[in-house]
Amino acid sequence: EAGVAQSPRYKIIEKRQSVAFWCNPISGHATLYWYQQILGQGPKLLIQFQNNGVVDDSQLPKDRFSAERLKGVDSTLKIQPAKLEDSAVYLCASSLGQPYNEQFFGPGTRLTVL
Amino acid sequence: QKEVEQNSGPLSVPEGAIASLNCTYSDRGSQSFFWYRQYSGKSPELIMFIYSNGDKEDGRFTAQLNKASQYVSLLIRDSQPSDSATYLCAVNLDSSASKIIFGSGTRLSIRP
Repeated sequence: EAGVAQSPRYKIIEKRQSVAFWCNPISGHATLYWYQQILGQGPKLLIQFQNNGVVDDSQLPKDRFSAERLKGVDSTLKIQPAKLEDSAVYLCASSLGQPYNEQFFGPGTRLTVL
Repeated sequence: QKEVEQNSGPLSVPEGAIASLNCTYSDRGSQSFFWYRQYSGKSPELIMFIYSNGDKEDGRFTAQLNKASQYVSLLIRDSQPSDSATYLCAVNLDSSASKIIFGSGTRLSIRP
């Protein structure tokens, strides 16, 4: 069974530029998550999708971040414009959902904003 | 109070000994609990999950859950240098919405 795929793996941009990340979850996983992980911290949930609907985006900085999951499969996360503090690893995870909701993570995208 | 708390470490344990990692959580309604291992520069990898009070064993790993005390732990027996990593505790806060919150992780170092 293929795991969660993410691209790109690394991205370096200047502040105020835009960037987009892509995620393809494990086949059949209805729930998809985007996390931001800053060095030395645990992953912080940005947005959670159930199929193609948003379940939780309370911690997504909506003035600059956006995400979509068209057709309930692939998802993209966009940052526009980027700030220095957005430098982090962006992790995508997917799960089958309840009852136990085990999440499986992709390799992540390391973003550096200069 | 943070929703999921872990001691950041580093926790140093001699090879072959038992490593004990602890996690507390704030929401009494939490349903399921996860331990992830994260090597430096890699993404989190699921080790175990537990949802009932008591112990759950898988090889050298044992997860322990005490919902009354809002406490979950991970024991690693016969610690190996390859166990050196950051261990993340994650809690499913709301079973209806599948919302999962992570602690900040405990760095574990196994010394030969």
